[in-house]
Amino acid sequence: GNSVTQMEGPVTLSEEAFLTINCTYTATGYPSLFWYVQYPGEGLQLLLKATKADDKGSNKGFEATYRKETTSFHLEKGSVQVSDSAVYFCALGTSYGKLTFGQGTILTVHP
Amino acid sequence: EAQVTQNPRYLITVTGKKLTVTCSQNMNHEYMSWYRQDPGLGLRQIYYSMNVEVTDKGDVPEGYKVSRKEKRNFPLILESPSPNQTSLYFCAIGPGLAGGVSTDTQYFGPGTRLTVL
Repeated sequence: GNSVTQMEGPVTLSEEAFLTINCTYTATGYPSLFWYVQYPGEGLQLLLKATKADDKGSNKGFEATYRKETTSFHLEKGSVQVSDSAVYFCALGTSYGKLTFGQGTILTVHP
Repeated sequence: EAQVTQNPRYLITVTGKKLTVTCSQNMNHEYMSWYRQDPGLGLRQIYYSMNVEVTDKGDVPEGYKVSRKEKRNFPLILESPSPNQTSLYFCAIGPGLAGGVSTDTQYFGPGTRLTVL
């Protein structure tokens, strides 16, 4: 079946540090890949997505590239801010409607 | 902009007391679903609905019921809540068709934090 594995967390960084959150997946067919972000006390918001191999999704300085050969969709940001502190979820979508989520990675950024 | 509302946002209840969490959308999406979020497990789908009067089980349906009598509403029903249903619940709409337009994005409500004592 489909599955998503995210790097072990939590992740703690200083402001302006480089961020990588690893995500790998197992899926049949050709899934779309997503990163969602959950700020404290809020629901999930779509951060970025990629629908086919080699696509790069980007938003708010975050980027992730759909790598079919390594079945990965790692999230990166060159310089994090305190306001980026949140929980980040990698997800894949194949069949109509359903998303399969990773376990989430808690990011804390200190000034 | 897609809007998904859930009520209540917070609920503390006791074992066995029936409760309903409502979900409403303003986007005319055909597809709606319920997830629960638990630490270390991410989000898991409870039930989904592909259209009015069409519902089906997700990955963790035990102890839950849903109904879809009209397109905009998709309530989650716990007939006899138990402590292992203490969790954070999210309603979501999409992807799929919304008013004849296709989208691959899923939009989430703000969440309902449920505690069952």
